Amino acid sequence: DAGITQSPRHKVTETGTPVTLRCHQTENHRYMYWYRQDPGHGLRLIHYSYGVKDTDKGEVSDGYSVSRSKTEDFLLTLESATSSQTSVYFCASASHPNQPQHFGDGTRLSIL
Amino acid sequence: AQTVTQSQPEMSVQEAETVTLSCTYDTSESDYYLFWYKQPPSRQMILVIRQEAYKQQNATENRFSVNFQKAAKSFSLKISDSQLGDAAMYFCAYRSAGGGADGLTFGKGTHLIIQP
Repeated sequence: DAGITQSPRHKVTETGTPVTLRCHQTENHRYMYWYRQDPGHGLRLIHYSYGVKDTDKGEVSDGYSVSRSKTEDFLLTLESATSSQTSVYFCASASHPNQPQHFGDGTRLSIL
Repeated sequence: AQTVTQSQPEMSVQEAETVTLSCTYDTSESDYYLFWYKQPPSRQMILVIRQEAYKQQNATENRFSVNFQKAAKSFSLKISDSQLGDAAMYFCAYRSAGGGADGLTFGKGTHLIIQP
């Protein structure tokens, strides 16, 4: 399996504060993804990256930004967190878009 | 946009029995990939099986097999000889094989309970 780690595993913060979630992979995968998981919705794509400095929006990108300065790191930022962004966030990577994605263990984010 | 529907929010099966989880999808594409992922209580997302739409043969992985009906846009997962460790959420996912690097489209999941 791909070595993919997310940090932090859990975070509690207040509305209006900035939050950055980190995803780190050691498989030299070109493609990386951020999803959020909410009850009754499965996983939904927030943003994805197809190379260093190459990113694009997914289905639920409003309120989120991403950056990829190195192949191994993909950051997700909530500029001003809102309670609707309380969720479990998953990062994934793949060697090719049509290959299976390997997931991190998720970050549980609570915004009070 | 593609959609993936899992019509069974929850399923229950006796240990050692066989269970089938349903998945249907909507797409106008002819070439695509389908996946089943398992999410146990540990929250990990674990790939169970992958099917390429242009392949006629149904994918199999040990006790897990799929029934892929392309014309019906159906992709069900069969788990044989169910074990307690199979208890988890199961997600069906779709990806177009066309150009682009976007991610997977997931269904809402089926919660599988294994009765001892």
